[in-house]
Amino acid sequence: GQNIDQPTEMTATEGAIVQINCTYQTSGFNGLFWYQQHAGEAPTFLSYNVLDGLEEKGRFSSFLSRSKGYSYLLLKELQMKDSASYLCAVSQAGTALIFGKGTTLSVSS
Amino acid sequence: ETGVTQTPRHLVMGMTNKKSLKCEQHLGHNAMYWYKQSAKKPLELMFVYNFKEQTENNSVPSRFSPECPNSSHLFLHLHTLQPEDSALYLCASSQEITAGLAQNTDTQYFGPGTRLTVL
Repeated sequence: GQNIDQPTEMTATEGAIVQINCTYQTSGFNGLFWYQQHAGEAPTFLSYNVLDGLEEKGRFSSFLSRSKGYSYLLLKELQMKDSASYLCAVSQAGTALIFGKGTTLSVSS
Repeated sequence: ETGVTQTPRHLVMGMTNKKSLKCEQHLGHNAMYWYKQSAKKPLELMFVYNFKEQTENNSVPSRFSPECPNSSHLFLHLHTLQPEDSALYLCASSQEITAGLAQNTDTQYFGPGTRLTVL
């Protein structure tokens, strides 16, 4: 079976650091993607991980541990505009991405 | 702007109507996707086309009928829908669907979506 788990909601304050976790159980694994989706808008690509370790892109970093079926998205120096849903998606060989339910992050001042 | 456009952006239809959603990508991609996103539910993959051939149909009811005339265009034909079909319908495209480790070419770019309301 395929299962992707993320927390439903998280809250944080401006300037803080927040970590959004994602665990997955899939029959095959070829990579993990993170997307950001603002309310009423389409998802936009943030990052992807294929190998274990940390990928850093400005204020956003993503980590992957394939042996643990675990990833996280780290957001630093939070801004109000970071309030959005963050979607974890797993890539399997030769098929489309499988998306988790998403984590709604609310950033307050 | 991601290079993927969808029309219309909003659609209200009765259960007996027939309508079509259109998606166009200007990225030179070869794979296109239809997703359904209902409130408080994850993105649900509906159909996948790779090089104009349908490669996935995730048990979607026959009242949804996809069409991919070329790699740049994707349609979703709708007929005799139910109120529970009301949702945001998203189109996406990617360079291709690779068989090996994920690459940049697997990255999907989404259109703005069509907000569908079935009365």
